[in-house]
Amino acid sequence: IQMTQSPSLLSASVGDRVTLSCKAGQNINNYLAWYQQKLGEAPKLLIYNANSLQTGIPSRFSGSGSGTDYTLTISSLQPEDVATYFCQQYNSWYTFGAGTKLELK
Amino acid sequence: QVTLKESGPGILQPSQTLSLTCSFSGFSLSTSGICVSWIRQPSGKGLEWLATICWEDSKGYNPSLKNRLTISKDTSNNQAFLKITSVDTADTAIYYCARSDYGYTVFDYWGQGVMVTVSS
Repeated sequence: IQMTQSPSLLSASVGDRVTLSCKAGQNINNYLAWYQQKLGEAPKLLIYNANSLQTGIPSRFSGSGSGTDYTLTISSLQPEDVATYFCQQYNSWYTFGAGTKLELK
Repeated sequence: QVTLKESGPGILQPSQTLSLTCSFSGFSLSTSGICVSWIRQPSGKGLEWLATICWEDSKGYNPSLKNRLTISKDTSNNQAFLKITSVDTADTAIYYCARSDYGYTVFDYWGQGVMVTVSS
């Protein structure tokens, strides 16, 4: 199942509301996760089942969507949120999107 | 505390077989629902799932690489393994192992990754 993320690069200011998109090639039944990867680190699970926040993740992160279209929202961007964000489907084995690199403006 | 750590040869030559080990603590691969997966990431690029092995010894492989991959586990020693045959330069990447705790679901804990370079 192909996963398409947009945009590939996003520049935003501290405090901004940020929205990242992920589109699946077919219905993935909400089996959608979001990971954050900071430079030189392993990915970290943020969201699973499209909208469930992983334990320990700040509440400014939220996920939404259904069917083929999903969104990760950061309600108020913080400097420590600079990272690349990957979506992943687990409806049929596993496929990751190419990532959205989030930088500060 | 759940931890995972990958180990590998560092560098190997084209056509050789890559052998990777994931050593973990804080959970057991004999516990119902637990799976360990391998994922790789070429430098500056995205993530590619390779293979998964679960507590009841079921296995899953990336269809595009299935013929070259073998995943296995040693439950007694808390380790999982991945072999990739006939490597070439395209297999140069950081290799991660990661845990799932509800079968073939999300990866909630990851190792730090190990860099593998294929070069003649």
